[in-house]
Amino acid sequence: EPEVTQTPSHQVTQMGQEVILRCVPISNHLYFYWYRQILGQKVEFLVSFYNNEISEKSEIFDDQFSVERPDGSNFTLKIRSTKLEDSAMYFCASKSHNQPQHFGDGTRLSIL
Amino acid sequence: GQQLNQSPQSMFIQEGEDVSMNCTSSSIFNTWLWYKQEPGEGPVLLIALYKAGELTSNGRLTAQFGITRKDSFLNISASIPSDVGIYFCAGLISNFGNEKLTFGTGTRLTIIP
Repeated sequence: EPEVTQTPSHQVTQMGQEVILRCVPISNHLYFYWYRQILGQKVEFLVSFYNNEISEKSEIFDDQFSVERPDGSNFTLKIRSTKLEDSAMYFCASKSHNQPQHFGDGTRLSIL
Repeated sequence: GQQLNQSPQSMFIQEGEDVSMNCTSSSIFNTWLWYKQEPGEGPVLLIALYKAGELTSNGRLTAQFGITRKDSFLNISASIPSDVGIYFCAGLISNFGNEKLTFGTGTRLTIIP
């Protein structure tokens, strides 16, 4: 069965550094999402992306965050200047029209 | 913002017992989804509910979309060790194909051998 794949599985970064989290959505999917999950808490929506633009973003997704689909297969989340509170699991999800979202296994981001 | 409250927060049950958990919201959703998350993995979809009142089964799992569209429950019959994990409900409002999931607070299920 096709999967959403995310790399790296674990990213350790110094506070203030830029980080890019990568996702390869399922190949025929058109809608892409990023969520985050702080340790021990629920999954929270960050941003949705369709037709090469952001459809919706949450309050968490401030000016430090950006998303990009640089080619036909990758979908990236960039955090420009990381803060300690950015430490979390980041999940990418994708979907086709009228189907539920499928999630990757996440990237654990640890900010030191 | 929209909040989904799940209960119970955690459950400790004997293998073979049935499990029941629910999810309530102050807002209406068009779709309810139930996901399971195991350590180090992303949420995996178990059941999707699209109509108020709908009752859907997936093997030993049964879920219902409440008629008020503000709640849902998930039942697991005859639990087995691999049922261990965190179960999340998620509500969805779809707007011309765009959507975002609002996740519940989760129910952690532990099976006692």
